[in-house]
Amino acid sequence: DAGVIQSPRHEVTEMGQEVTLRCKPISGHNSLFWYRQTMMRGLELLIYFNNNVPIDDSGMPEDRFSAKMPNASFSTLKIQPSEPRDSAVYFCASSLGALLEQFFGPGTRLTVL
Amino acid sequence: SQQGEEDPQALSIQEGENATMNCSYKTSINNLQWYRQNSGRGLVHLILIRSNEREKHSGRLRVTLDTSKKSSSLLITASRAADTASYFCATDDGAQKLVFGQGTRLTINP
Repeated sequence: DAGVIQSPRHEVTEMGQEVTLRCKPISGHNSLFWYRQTMMRGLELLIYFNNNVPIDDSGMPEDRFSAKMPNASFSTLKIQPSEPRDSAVYFCASSLGALLEQFFGPGTRLTVL
Repeated sequence: SQQGEEDPQALSIQEGENATMNCSYKTSINNLQWYRQNSGRGLVHLILIRSNEREKHSGRLRVTLDTSKKSSSLLITASRAADTASYFCATDDGAQKLVFGQGTRLTINP
Protein backbone atom coordinates (compact mmCIF):
# COMPACT_ATOMS: atom_id res chain seq x y z
CA ASP A 1 0.00 0.00 0.00
CA ALA A 2 1.25 3.50 -0.85
CA GLY A 3 0.12 4.94 2.46
CA VAL A 4 -1.80 8.19 2.82
CA ILE A 5 -1.22 10.41 -0.18
CA GLN A 6 -1.41 14.18 0.01
CA SER A 7 -1.10 16.78 -2.70
CA PRO A 8 0.39 19.19 -3.27
CA ARG A 9 3.44 18.77 -1.03
CA HIS A 10 4.16 22.47 -1.10
CA GLU A 11 1.88 25.39 -1.88
CA VAL A 12 2.78 29.04 -2.01
CA THR A 13 -0.04 31.45 -2.65
CA GLU A 14 -1.01 35.04 -2.12
CA MET A 15 -3.41 36.31 0.47
CA GLY A 16 -6.99 36.13 -0.74
CA GLN A 17 -6.49 33.19 -3.05
CA GLU A 18 -8.34 29.92 -2.73
CA VAL A 19 -6.30 26.91 -1.62
CA THR A 20 -7.35 23.29 -2.01
CA LEU A 21 -5.49 20.48 -0.30
CA ARG A 22 -6.13 16.89 -1.29
CA CYS A 23 -5.88 13.57 0.49
CA LYS A 24 -6.24 9.93 -0.47
CA PRO A 25 -6.54 7.70 2.61
CA ILE A 26 -5.37 4.13 2.90
CA SER A 27 -7.81 1.79 1.24
CA GLY A 28 -10.16 0.19 3.75
CA HIS A 29 -9.74 2.85 6.40
CA ASN A 30 -13.04 4.36 7.50
CA SER A 31 -11.78 7.35 9.50
CA LEU A 32 -10.03 10.36 8.01
CA PHE A 33 -8.52 13.30 9.86
CA TRP A 34 -7.21 16.73 8.88
CA TYR A 35 -4.62 18.33 11.17
CA ARG A 36 -2.72 21.61 11.11
CA GLN A 37 0.71 21.94 12.67
CA THR A 38 2.50 25.15 13.59
CA MET A 39 5.31 25.95 15.99
CA MET A 40 3.04 28.16 18.07
CA ARG A 41 -0.03 25.91 18.34
CA GLY A 42 1.40 22.45 17.79
CA LEU A 43 -0.74 19.78 16.13
CA GLU A 44 -4.42 20.71 15.95
CA LEU A 45 -7.25 18.50 14.76
CA LEU A 46 -9.37 20.45 12.30
CA ILE A 47 -12.02 17.91 11.33
CA TYR A 48 -12.53 14.19 11.10
CA PHE A 49 -14.79 11.97 9.05
CA ASN A 50 -16.14 8.53 9.76
CA ASN A 51 -17.48 6.58 6.79
CA ASN A 52 -17.30 9.80 4.73
CA VAL A 53 -19.50 11.72 7.19
CA PRO A 54 -18.06 14.70 9.11
CA ILE A 55 -18.21 13.82 12.80
CA ASP A 56 -16.41 16.66 14.53
CA ASP A 57 -15.48 19.94 12.86
CA SER A 58 -15.05 21.91 16.08
CA GLY A 59 -11.40 22.49 15.23
CA MET A 60 -12.09 24.26 11.97
CA PRO A 61 -10.88 27.78 12.75
CA GLU A 62 -13.52 29.75 10.86
CA ASP A 63 -15.88 29.76 7.92
CA ARG A 64 -13.02 30.25 5.51
CA PHE A 65 -12.17 26.58 6.04
CA SER A 66 -14.26 23.78 4.59
CA ALA A 67 -13.68 20.06 4.12
CA LYS A 68 -15.41 17.43 2.05
CA MET A 69 -15.18 13.70 1.62
CA PRO A 70 -17.24 12.77 -1.46
CA ASN A 71 -16.17 9.12 -1.31
CA ALA A 72 -14.07 6.74 0.73
CA SER A 73 -10.92 7.39 -1.27
CA PHE A 74 -10.76 11.17 -1.47
CA SER A 75 -11.02 14.24 0.74
CA THR A 76 -10.33 17.93 0.29
CA LEU A 77 -9.62 20.79 2.64
CA LYS A 78 -10.34 24.19 1.16
CA ILE A 79 -9.36 27.62 2.44
CA GLN A 80 -11.13 30.57 0.82
CA PRO A 81 -9.91 33.26 1.08
CA SER A 82 -6.49 32.38 2.44
CA GLU A 83 -4.63 34.58 4.93
CA PRO A 84 -0.97 34.67 6.03
CA ARG A 85 -1.91 33.19 9.42
CA ASP A 86 -3.06 30.05 7.62
CA SER A 87 0.58 29.26 6.83
CA ALA A 88 1.29 25.86 8.37
CA VAL A 89 1.83 22.22 7.57
CA TYR A 90 -1.46 20.42 6.97
CA PHE A 91 -1.57 16.69 7.58
CA CYS A 92 -4.14 14.15 6.55
CA ALA A 93 -4.34 10.86 8.46
CA SER A 94 -6.52 7.79 8.21
CA SER A 95 -7.32 4.85 10.46
CA LEU A 96 -9.57 1.83 10.89
CA GLY A 97 -11.32 3.59 13.75
CA ALA A 98 -11.31 7.03 15.36
CA LEU A 99 -9.36 5.87 18.41
CA LEU A 100 -7.02 3.43 16.70
CA GLU A 101 -3.59 3.80 15.13
CA GLN A 102 -3.51 6.70 12.70
CA PHE A 103 -1.42 6.71 9.53
CA PHE A 104 -0.24 10.15 8.53
CA GLY A 105 0.49 11.49 5.09
CA PRO A 106 3.65 13.48 4.34
CA GLY A 107 1.83 16.78 4.79
CA THR A 108 1.30 19.89 2.67
CA ARG A 109 3.42 22.89 3.58
CA LEU A 110 1.29 25.96 2.90
CA THR A 111 2.74 29.43 2.72
CA VAL A 112 0.38 32.36 2.28
CA LEU A 113 2.15 35.59 1.37
CA SER B 1 -5.23 23.09 28.17
CA GLN B 2 -4.11 19.89 26.44
CA GLN B 3 -5.58 16.52 27.34
CA GLY B 4 -2.08 15.04 27.02
CA GLU B 5 1.03 16.95 27.95
CA GLU B 6 4.56 15.66 27.45
CA ASP B 7 7.48 16.28 29.73
CA PRO B 8 10.20 17.37 29.20
CA GLN B 9 9.66 19.67 26.22
CA ALA B 10 13.20 18.95 25.07
CA LEU B 11 15.73 16.26 25.91
CA SER B 12 19.33 15.90 24.77
CA ILE B 13 21.35 12.77 25.55
CA GLN B 14 24.39 10.90 24.32
CA GLU B 15 24.11 8.02 21.93
CA GLY B 16 23.76 4.76 23.79
CA GLU B 17 22.00 6.29 26.79
CA ASN B 18 18.35 5.66 27.62
CA ALA B 19 15.72 8.35 27.00
CA THR B 20 12.57 8.69 29.07
CA MET B 21 9.63 10.89 28.17
CA ASN B 22 6.46 11.34 30.17
CA CYS B 23 2.88 12.12 29.31
CA SER B 24 0.15 13.28 31.68
CA TYR B 25 -3.53 13.50 30.88
CA LYS B 26 -6.66 14.72 32.60
CA THR B 27 -9.66 12.52 31.89
CA SER B 28 -10.28 8.78 31.74
CA ILE B 29 -9.05 7.21 28.53
CA ASN B 30 -9.68 4.15 26.36
CA ASN B 31 -6.09 4.00 25.18
CA LEU B 32 -2.95 6.05 24.93
CA GLN B 33 -0.71 6.15 21.90
CA TRP B 34 2.85 7.32 21.22
CA TYR B 35 3.98 8.73 17.88
CA ARG B 36 7.29 9.87 16.46
CA GLN B 37 7.82 12.73 14.02
CA ASN B 38 11.05 13.23 12.17
CA SER B 39 11.74 16.77 10.99
CA GLY B 40 9.60 17.67 8.01
CA ARG B 41 7.71 14.38 8.00
CA GLY B 42 4.35 13.07 9.11
CA LEU B 43 3.82 11.35 12.45
CA VAL B 44 4.52 7.64 12.71
CA HIS B 45 2.69 5.43 15.18
CA LEU B 46 4.92 3.66 17.72
CA ILE B 47 2.77 1.95 20.35
CA LEU B 48 -0.84 1.81 21.54
CA ILE B 49 -1.45 0.84 25.16
CA ARG B 50 -4.97 0.17 26.36
CA SER B 51 -6.34 1.46 29.64
CA ASN B 52 -6.31 -2.04 31.16
CA GLU B 53 -2.63 -2.59 30.29
CA ARG B 54 0.26 -1.45 32.44
CA GLU B 55 3.28 -2.05 30.25
CA LYS B 56 4.05 -2.75 26.64
CA HIS B 57 7.25 -3.38 24.70
CA SER B 58 8.25 -2.98 21.08
CA GLY B 59 11.90 -3.51 20.25
CA ARG B 60 13.86 -0.86 22.16
CA LEU B 61 10.68 0.91 23.22
CA ARG B 62 8.95 0.38 26.53
CA VAL B 63 5.70 2.14 27.44
CA THR B 64 4.10 2.16 30.85
CA LEU B 65 0.67 3.40 31.83
CA ASP B 66 -0.48 4.38 35.31
CA THR B 67 -4.18 5.18 35.15
CA SER B 68 -4.31 6.08 38.86
CA LYS B 69 -1.79 8.87 38.21
CA LYS B 70 -3.10 9.55 34.71
CA SER B 71 0.39 9.30 33.29
CA SER B 72 2.45 7.32 30.82
CA SER B 73 6.13 7.06 30.06
CA LEU B 74 8.04 6.13 26.93
CA LEU B 75 11.49 4.66 27.41
CA ILE B 76 13.90 4.30 24.51
CA THR B 77 16.84 2.10 25.43
CA ALA B 78 20.32 2.23 23.88
CA SER B 79 19.49 5.36 21.91
CA ARG B 80 20.78 5.91 18.38
CA ALA B 81 21.26 9.03 16.29
CA ALA B 82 18.27 7.93 14.20
CA ASP B 83 16.04 8.27 17.28
CA THR B 84 16.41 12.06 17.05
CA ALA B 85 12.83 13.24 16.54
CA SER B 86 9.82 14.68 18.31
CA TYR B 87 7.69 12.26 20.30
CA PHE B 88 3.99 12.80 20.92
CA CYS B 89 1.48 11.11 23.15
CA ALA B 90 -2.15 11.00 22.08
CA THR B 91 -5.20 10.24 24.18
CA ASP B 92 -8.89 10.21 23.52
CA ASP B 93 -10.76 13.08 25.09
CA GLY B 94 -14.00 11.24 25.77
CA ALA B 95 -15.44 12.57 22.53
CA GLN B 96 -14.21 9.70 20.34
CA LYS B 97 -11.21 11.49 18.92
CA LEU B 98 -7.50 11.62 19.67
CA VAL B 99 -5.84 14.71 21.09
CA PHE B 100 -2.08 15.10 20.69
CA GLY B 101 0.24 16.76 23.15
CA GLN B 102 2.85 19.36 22.28
CA GLY B 103 5.59 16.77 22.04
CA THR B 104 9.09 16.16 23.40
CA ARG B 105 12.00 17.06 21.12
CA LEU B 106 14.64 14.38 21.57
CA THR B 107 18.20 14.94 20.36
CA ILE B 108 20.72 12.10 20.38
CA ASN B 109 24.29 13.38 20.32
CA PRO B 110 26.96 11.16 18.70
